[in-house]
Amino acid sequence: SQTIHQWPATLVQPVGSPLSLECTVEGTSNPNLYWYRQAAGRGLQLLFYSVGIGQISSEVPQNLSASRPQDRQFILSSKKLLLSDSGFYLCAWSVAAGNEKLFFGSGTQLSVL
Amino acid sequence: QKEVEQNSGPLSVPEGAIASLNCTYSDRGSQSFFWYRQYSGKSPELIMSIYSNGDKEDGRFTAQLNKASQYVSLLIRDSQPSDSATYLCAVNARGGGADGLTFGKGTHLIIQP
Repeated sequence: SQTIHQWPATLVQPVGSPLSLECTVEGTSNPNLYWYRQAAGRGLQLLFYSVGIGQISSEVPQNLSASRPQDRQFILSSKKLLLSDSGFYLCAWSVAAGNEKLFFGSGTQLSVL
Repeated sequence: QKEVEQNSGPLSVPEGAIASLNCTYSDRGSQSFFWYRQYSGKSPELIMSIYSNGDKEDGRFTAQLNKASQYVSLLIRDSQPSDSATYLCAVNARGGGADGLTFGKGTHLIIQP
């Protein structure tokens, strides 16, 4: 069966510090991968998605970037965090076909102080 | 712009009653519809998917879709305190694309013992 791992679970970072969140999927090949952010009162916002190694699409211009160095690995990064980057970050995967359901990792609660 | 609208609640329902959650969407070309349950501090968990007009039942859950009215609903029969959570409606608004789902902000459901 497929599983998705995301870490760390919580993170407290000062403004201006870098960020790296990692997500890996097991039990499937060539998944579509996604990074969402959930901020209070704003719902789930799609940040990046990837249909293959090295292929990244950005939905919202921002202080963040994403990379997919391996088929089942997705990384969210920032060079300098802003206060507004605080939120609950969720990695998700779906099968490589349209209209398919998303399965989420356990999430990272990021607080930028 | 793709939009998914839900009443934020809280919706309070007595234990054993039927909870009815509603969702409307703006993109008439949407083809796939999902309901997720999210407990406080946890990631969303898929509970129902529906792709064609009508009702789809799974245990105590029934999803209803009316594409002409651009309306999706979720019924929870015999509501239990463990059903207390935020329910997110999600739509794949581009019909076959890999660009993820658009989520509503969620309805906070409280089941009163």
